[in-house]
Amino acid sequence: DIVMTQTPLSSPVTLGQPASISCRSSQSLVSGDGNTYLSWFHQRPGQPPRLLIYQISNRFPGVPDRFSGSGAGTDFTLKISRVEAEDVGVYYCMQGSQSPQTFGQGTKVEIK
Amino acid sequence: EVQLVESGGGLVRPGGSLRLSCAASGFTFANAWMTWVRQGPGKGLEWVGRIKIKAHGETIDYATPVKGRFTISRDDSNNALYLQMFSLKTEDTAVYFCVAGLGFSAEDYWGQGTLVTVSS
Repeated sequence: DIVMTQTPLSSPVTLGQPASISCRSSQSLVSGDGNTYLSWFHQRPGQPPRLLIYQISNRFPGVPDRFSGSGAGTDFTLKISRVEAEDVGVYYCMQGSQSPQTFGQGTKVEIK
Repeated sequence: EVQLVESGGGLVRPGGSLRLSCAASGFTFANAWMTWVRQGPGKGLEWVGRIKIKAHGETIDYATPVKGRFTISRDDSNNALYLQMFSLKTEDTAVYFCVAGLGFSAEDYWGQGTLVTVSS
């Protein structure tokens, strides 16, 4: 199975400041069809996760443009340009390029 | 509006069985890849398995920890997804989420989840 490793595991941030989360896979996520199936999810306390970013850098409809994704191969990043109060919670990366799909451990974002 | 409503969770003894259901609405269910994801108490997300659409052979994949014990099925005529769980273990205790992939990714929309507790 592909192992997904996120850093940091905890990220205290200041409102209005940027935040960044890294996700590294144990092998390349470039799929046989040439696409890279790397997604990012956000989970608020007591809520189900919701999709933010798919295929590395595509924002899901309704996701604010302060969220952006980048990367290639085995190294990926989620950035929040200016953190807002509603952005607290846990962020997960997930690879869908090879079955079984696997998630990162999660990164907890909280306000300083 | 996309809605996914899970049901069937509860308390079950180790070695027991349980069947979860997911009622889908607000989209063309037959065109959606459907996935089960679980989250143990205080833990991260764990992919359980996925069933593709008929046009893709209704291929089913499972995570290693549940292979041979869990069975995913779908009923496109009733817009329903199922997860049949056998030989349950304490480590299967989790909230189980029903997830629909509508073309952006395989995990576009999530239900609220249903809690399964495996305990003696």
